[in-house]
Formats: sequence, C-alpha cells, structure tokens
Amino acid sequence: ELKVEQNPLFLSMQEGKNYTIYCNYSTTSDRLYWYRQDPGKSLESLFVLLSNGAVKQEGRLMASLDTKARLSTLHITAAVHDLSATYFCAVLKNFGNEKLTFGTGTRLTIIP
Amino acid sequence: DARVTQTPRHKVTEMGQEVTMRCQPILGHNTVFWYRQTMMQGLELLAYFRNRAPLDDSGMPKDRFSAEMPDATLATLKIQPSEPRDSAVYFCASGIVETQYFGPGTRLLVL
Repeated sequence: ELKVEQNPLFLSMQEGKNYTIYCNYSTTSDRLYWYRQDPGKSLESLFVLLSNGAVKQEGRLMASLDTKARLSTLHITAAVHDLSATYFCAVLKNFGNEKLTFGTGTRLTIIP
Repeated sequence: DARVTQTPRHKVTEMGQEVTMRCQPILGHNTVFWYRQTMMQGLELLAYFRNRAPLDDSGMPKDRFSAEMPDATLATLKIQPSEPRDSAVYFCASGIVETQYFGPGTRLLVL
C-alpha cells in the first residue's frame, strides 16, 4: 500500500524567512503533485513533477523531486503572508491508473 | 475560465436521508474523481471514472454509496442512507493527462 508522509504537519514561520516542506512516499513512482488549499476552499494545483531531478518554480515556491530517495521538497523563499495555506503532496500510484494518494498536508502559517 | 462545478455547495440532512451530490467536470476532461476530506482521515479517493466508465470505487463504502456518470457532463455521488460519520467535504475533480482540477466541494453535515 502506498503511503505518503509529509512533515512538518504544522509550520509557523516569520515573513521573510525560508523553509522547506518534505514529502516522503513508500513505493516507486515518477509523478508527484503539490496542491495548495486555503481554509474552507478547494485544492489548487501548484506543481506536477514528472521525473527524477525535476525542479519547478513559481514565485517564492520551488518544488523538486528525487525519485531514488522517494522524496519531494517544497521550498519557500522569503515567505509572505499570502502563502499561508495547507500544502499537500500527492503521488500517482502507477501509470495507467490515475489514482492519487495524498499526504497528510502541512498547515503553513506566515506571521508578520 | 473552465472550472469544475459542484452542487449543492452545502447540505444539512438527517440521518437516514438520501443525499445526492452532482459534479460537472471541465469540458474535454476524460477522468472524474470523487474525494472525501475529513480532519481525521484527510483526503480519501472514493471513486473515479475514465471516459465515463467506473475504474475504481474501492475507497467507497459499497453498502450505502454509489457513483455514476450518466453522461460526459454529469457525475453523481449518492449516499443512501446517510449517517453522521458521512459528514465531510466531498470534492469532485476532473483531469486530463497529468493534472486533476478540483471543484469547490460539497460540505455535508448529517445530523
């Protein structure tokens, strides 16, 4: 059974600081997704990482994938309040089967 | 701006009642997913369809839940009879190739 773990579960950080959220998964997969969810809202797709070594950046967020280590990271640079949300990683179980297994989520709070 | 739509957005019902949730996927997307989100269990996949055919509903309690896709513009998730433990936010998502796009969700409260 595929397991996806994120840490930390909760993260409170000051504006302007850098931090990293980690996503570990238990079985081989070459596709990893990052989503953002604001309180009471839906999930918004941030990144799709398709291969080992993939790196994608959007604004202050950068995601990377190491399939050998079964690890993805979401790095936040110079955090701003607007980035406060819950971030989920999700792993595609296997090709030809579009089922995603989601991590527990990381609730990020940016403090002024 | 194409979006997944869901109705109703909120539903309060009493235990034992039937609940039907509807989803209109983004036009052209060939996969549709139903998820349930709770504080305790997080995001769980209930069922999914590809080209309207059900591919996997292993995450769904079979005795009370059913999911259908009568046409390409409508997916339904039905609970009969509903129970308090079904209280959750139910998301529909549609996708094509790699990415799933989530609807706004139906917030269900079963009393």
